[in-house]
Amino acid sequence: VQLQQSGPGLVEPSQTLSLSCAISGDSVSSNSAAWNWIRQSPSIGLEWLGRTYYRSRWYYDSAVSVKSRITVNPDTSNNQFSMQLSSVTPEDTAVYYCAREVAGTYNFDYWGQGTLVTVSS
Amino acid sequence: QSVLTQPPSVSGAPGQRVTISCIGSSSNIGAGYDVHWYQQLPGTAPKLHIYGNSNRPSGVPDRFSGSKSGTSASLAITGLQAEDEADYYCQSYDSSLRGWVFGGGTKLTVL
Repeated sequence: VQLQQSGPGLVEPSQTLSLSCAISGDSVSSNSAAWNWIRQSPSIGLEWLGRTYYRSRWYYDSAVSVKSRITVNPDTSNNQFSMQLSSVTPEDTAVYYCAREVAGTYNFDYWGQGTLVTVSS
Repeated sequence: QSVLTQPPSVSGAPGQRVTISCIGSSSNIGAGYDVHWYQQLPGTAPKLHIYGNSNRPSGVPDRFSGSKSGTSASLAITGLQAEDEADYYCQSYDSSLRGWVFGGGTKLTVL
């Protein structure tokens, strides 16, 4: 399994941060996996943000801290998933990771390479 | 302030044994959710190092072991080697927050 992230490294305050994670070796539509976004910053450390997964239909979960601002979407045509975080502030500056969770394990066994996103004008 | 509490740093000489603690609460570790540990080398993504409290993924040396009791967990490393120098993070699930939570990380220095 490999996860390859893409997206801009600089976002202006109040704009929307958008990242994608391309999956190889597994399927975004897998019935036994969930696809997550996690970020890491010196001030907060590691923070789980949200996920999507398919179990006969698509499900979405998100952290309380970003619930009103985050969208995680699957892209079955390209076997990838994406994250959008709206109304960003400098506090959203972090390294963002995508990660896989095998159903029922409650851990993250494969991670993307990470994308440093800086929120600045 | 992370939901799970870890010491900021630990150190030991080559060959020694060190432990890293991870203290949670009744809504995460104490609720019965498993604890997992990640190793992070500089400039790289965290890597799953211990899963399900005490299980090692393929390729992780048996010098690494994990345990859990009550509302806390520990990662033990015996026979310290220079290559073990890294940041280590614990992780669990929190039923009150309805999400995954991490410790603040512990920097292991091999003297």
